[in-house]
Amino acid sequence: GQNIDQPTEMTATEGAIVQINCTYQTSGFNGLFWYQQHAGEAPTFLSYNVLDGLEEKGRFSSFLSRSKGYSYLLLKELQMKDSASYLCAVRDGRSGNTPLVFGKGTRLSVIA
Amino acid sequence: DGGITQSPKYLFRKEGQNVTLSCEQNLNHDAMYWYRQDPGQGLRLIYYSQIVNDFQKGDIAEGYSVSREKKESFPLTVTSAQKNPTAFYLCASLPDRTVGNTIYFGEGSWLTVV
Repeated sequence: GQNIDQPTEMTATEGAIVQINCTYQTSGFNGLFWYQQHAGEAPTFLSYNVLDGLEEKGRFSSFLSRSKGYSYLLLKELQMKDSASYLCAVRDGRSGNTPLVFGKGTRLSVIA
Repeated sequence: DGGITQSPKYLFRKEGQNVTLSCEQNLNHDAMYWYRQDPGQGLRLIYYSQIVNDFQKGDIAEGYSVSREKKESFPLTVTSAQKNPTAFYLCASLPDRTVGNTIYFGEGSWLTVV
């Protein structure tokens, strides 16, 4: 079976750092993706990890541990516009066009 | 500009009616996908197509049908057999089989049963 878990909601203060965790149990693993989704809009791509370690991209970083089935998305210097849902997704098949399996998303609220 | 176009943006359906959501892409992508999203939920896969004239069921295909007669087009029909169709529907496509490729989403279609 496939199972991807994320916290349902998180709240953080403007200017702070927040870490959103994702654990997964899938039949295979061929990469983990993070997306940002504002209410009523389509998700937008944030990051991709396939090897263990940290990938940094500006204020956003994503970490992966394949042995633990664990990833996190780190958002630094939070801004009000970062209030959104953050979706963790796994490609669990060998082929690069295997559909992504999504978690339920974490709704982040950034407060002043 | 290249992209994925979904239409209509908003659609109201009466109970017992079939409706079709359009998804067109001019990105020359081979693979296309349909996901459904309910309020406060993640995306669930309905159908996908990795090549023209071929498609596969996803996790929640019951009550839906698709076709892939052209590379650019992957319409989704929500049939009367789908008992709870009110949701946000997202179409996506993928450039090729390169493992690190992300999928590209259309803007989505809101379907409401009235």
